[in-house]
Amino acid sequence: AQKITQTQPGMFVQEKEAVTLDCTYDTSDQSYGLFWYKQPSSGEMIFLIYQGSYDEQNATEGRYSLNFQKARKSANLVISASQLGDSAMYFCAMRGYSTLTFGKGTMLLVSP
Amino acid sequence: DGGITQSPKYLFRKEGQNVTLSCEQNLNHDAMYWYRQDPGQGLRLIYYSQIVNDFQKGDIAEGYSVSREKKESFPLTVTSAQKNPTAFYLCASSISITVQPQHFGDGTRLSIL
Repeated sequence: AQKITQTQPGMFVQEKEAVTLDCTYDTSDQSYGLFWYKQPSSGEMIFLIYQGSYDEQNATEGRYSLNFQKARKSANLVISASQLGDSAMYFCAMRGYSTLTFGKGTMLLVSP
Repeated sequence: DGGITQSPKYLFRKEGQNVTLSCEQNLNHDAMYWYRQDPGQGLRLIYYSQIVNDFQKGDIAEGYSVSREKKESFPLTVTSAQKNPTAFYLCASSISITVQPQHFGDGTRLSIL
């Protein structure tokens, strides 16, 4: 069985600062993928970034980067230069063969 | 624009009543999914479909039913057997069951009257 753990229920950051959202995972699969999604208060889930288990380099997408440490089974999301619009719930998810398993999420609040 | 459309945005159900949530996609994706989200929680998988006329139970399928008669459509019925249906329901799709990421609709919020 796969499991995703997000230990930070909430995080606060000031605008323009960087923030790291933690995600640890557990799986017995050799091949898997890790995703981060953003959920604003309106409810839709927005895909941010993906890391495959065999990818040697950490994924980056604009201001988002994924700090992938395979031996530690962690896949932390780093948001650089936070913006007010980054305030949202953030979910880490893992792909098994066919489906995604989600963590419980971290609420990020960005203050001016 | 391509995307996933869920309707209605808000839905109210009376006790003992079945209701159907609509999900349509024009992304030409083979795989479609239904998730339930409770307050302060992550998403839990209800049902998924790899291809037309095929679907599989997820982690919390009891009290729900689905159909996949067309590639574009994956409606979810919340039956009277689902004792605690109040939740936010999200539909998603992906190119195939093994190719992610999943793209999501805007969700339907279901409440019991």
